[in-house]
Amino acid sequence: GAGVSQSPSNKVTEKGKDVELRCDPISGHTALYWYRQSLGQGLEFLIYFQGNSAPDKSGLPSDRFSAERTGGSVSTLTIQRTQQEDSAVYLCASSSRRDTQYFGPGTRLTVL
Amino acid sequence: AQSVTQLGSHVSVSEGALVLLRCNYSSSVPPYLFWYVQYPNQGLQLLLKYTTGATLVKGINGFEAEFKKSETSFHLTKPSAHMSDAAEYFCAVSTFSGGYNKLIFGAGTRLAVHP
Repeated sequence: GAGVSQSPSNKVTEKGKDVELRCDPISGHTALYWYRQSLGQGLEFLIYFQGNSAPDKSGLPSDRFSAERTGGSVSTLTIQRTQQEDSAVYLCASSSRRDTQYFGPGTRLTVL
Repeated sequence: AQSVTQLGSHVSVSEGALVLLRCNYSSSVPPYLFWYVQYPNQGLQLLLKYTTGATLVKGINGFEAEFKKSETSFHLTKPSAHMSDAAEYFCAVSTFSGGYNKLIFGAGTRLAVHP
């Protein structure tokens, strides 16, 4: 079946602009995760959604970052007023609650 | 708190040689352990995982890993390297804290395979 998909695959933006990154999880997966992969920081957990429960936002680096998940499926990660240090690959993963996480191909964000 | 240490950010082996990628973890509760592989410009693909039971875990592409509680290790091995194994490998640990599987990753090891 279809895996996790993310769009866009690449995004180049200017400092100060807002960006939206999209994640389509595997159908039927109730849990959705966002991670950030950057040089010097490795892979960092950002946020987790599980069903209709309140998300765990403990990994979001600042209040410029937010995420939502509509209808328990598609998720959007929004970064406001982007900074150069936001440049990274943003990875989305989904799972069946406690099971293995399956990752999407990522969105490479470059902030000029 | 949990953490993962991968010894060696870069490992280089000859084609046909043994692959050994080291991972040590820290966890106050029984851990779940994972190895993921990342090929260039792709997402992470699960190689294998340890949850409970048999401590020697076999994964895809001929890789295996052994959970050694006494050594807090979960090293990844493959008897004979292939050129297609060149990629970055990540070890991760999780506990189902709060009812979900939050992964803590190591820094990664980039494997190069030369003829």
